Amino acid sequence: DSGVTQTPKHLITATGQRVTLRCSPRSGDLSVYWYQQSLDQGLQFLIQYYNGEERAKGNILERFSAQQFPDLHSELNLSSLELGDSALYFCASSVSFFSGNTIYFGEGSWLTVV
Amino acid sequence: DAKTTQPPSMDCAEGRAANLPCNHSTISGNEYVYWYRQIHSQGPQYIIHGLKNNETNEMASLIITEDRKSSTLILPHATLRDTAVYYCIVSPLNNNDMRFGAGTRLTVKP
Repeated sequence: DSGVTQTPKHLITATGQRVTLRCSPRSGDLSVYWYQQSLDQGLQFLIQYYNGEERAKGNILERFSAQQFPDLHSELNLSSLELGDSALYFCASSVSFFSGNTIYFGEGSWLTVV
Repeated sequence: DAKTTQPPSMDCAEGRAANLPCNHSTISGNEYVYWYRQIHSQGPQYIIHGLKNNETNEMASLIITEDRKSSTLILPHATLRDTAVYYCIVSPLNNNDMRFGAGTRLTVKP
């Protein structure tokens, strides 16, 4: 158990809909990361927050957004969903953002768009 | 950011040491080498990381060459449960947003 909690574990929704994935980082961790893993793309870094502020952005679509709240939990919002958004979404956390700070992953949220 | 090169797949006999190589010839002086693994569709699991010196923990050993251009992850006594995709990542200097490549699919065989 990494200490990173993600909800929901599984989600099925229709095209065009909007969903929110939630992540609670490990106790004491200030940095949160979101990753997407689909069958044909591997693990793709989406976005990182540190203490409420966006720190780094990867291959995140404009239809997707995220935020980190004052209590440090984070949410990833996916809108206008398409079939291709079906994937496993991972959240990870670390104490800080400097190289040498290990990031720990949650078990992921399975999203199926039908 | 430094890129890494890993063989796409490897086999290892159960009980033997698994040696997984990684090339990171463009690594900068203060960039760390990290290893993660992913078993089926579980969350990536941290294994070990290092900067210059060799490192060992309860899971594995990390051997980094003196010029830091390559490293080897060693699982001393591989078991069937070690079958997974292993990722070697160079953590960027000013931020640790890990960028995963394709990794090495290790299959441990009885």
